[in-house]
Amino acid sequence: ETGVTQTPRHLVMGMTNKKSLKCEQHLGHNAMYWYKQSAKKPLELMFVYNFKEQTENNSVPSRFSPECPNSSHLFLHLHTLQPEDSALYLCASSPGSTGSYNEQFFGPGTRLTVL
Amino acid sequence: GQNIDQPTEMTATEGAIVQINCTYQTSGFNGLFWYQQHAGEAPTFLSYNVLDGLEEKGRFSSFLSRSKGYSYLLLKELQMKDSASYLCAVSGDYKLSFGAGTTVTVRA
Repeated sequence: ETGVTQTPRHLVMGMTNKKSLKCEQHLGHNAMYWYKQSAKKPLELMFVYNFKEQTENNSVPSRFSPECPNSSHLFLHLHTLQPEDSALYLCASSPGSTGSYNEQFFGPGTRLTVL
Repeated sequence: GQNIDQPTEMTATEGAIVQINCTYQTSGFNGLFWYQQHAGEAPTFLSYNVLDGLEEKGRFSSFLSRSKGYSYLLLKELQMKDSASYLCAVSGDYKLSFGAGTTVTVRA
């Protein structure tokens, strides 16, 4: 595997379900990110991890819970979601977090539908 | 915080040139990125500018004026495969802030 991978690619869940999104990067990067992308809206930054430490939580509801067990893996745990949470969830990684080191490499995304 | 503006949509003819403008207001600036995103796919890196001036990379060029808070992406010799969304992103304090993207449609 190369680059940034995400699983699953598609997910349909009910509002009472619990599910997790997984992201893995094979680039030796130190920073990882979760973004939400809704139609016609800017990419919304959700969480940032630098060297496994969470450095940003962009006012994300508690029904989204991130986990970063090591610098290569990032999870997003989902529970009791709402239909408006349906979106494309993108994971990204970067060598660092400032200047040109902030060049982010994106995974293919998970298309989430909440019924 | 960051405020990033770019046009929503642009249409151009195959072989033509299109310029996508981006203006930003930022509390911290460590460079500006342009990304390309095809429908249903992940964004991919196109360019990075941190100093004023023009950076040319094949058919694509990117310009930055830090004093004006302004950048543009220039796409030359447009091809059908260039139909995509183009995202302007400002590198601030340990994160990127993205514009909403400009959807470019290339017509034959």
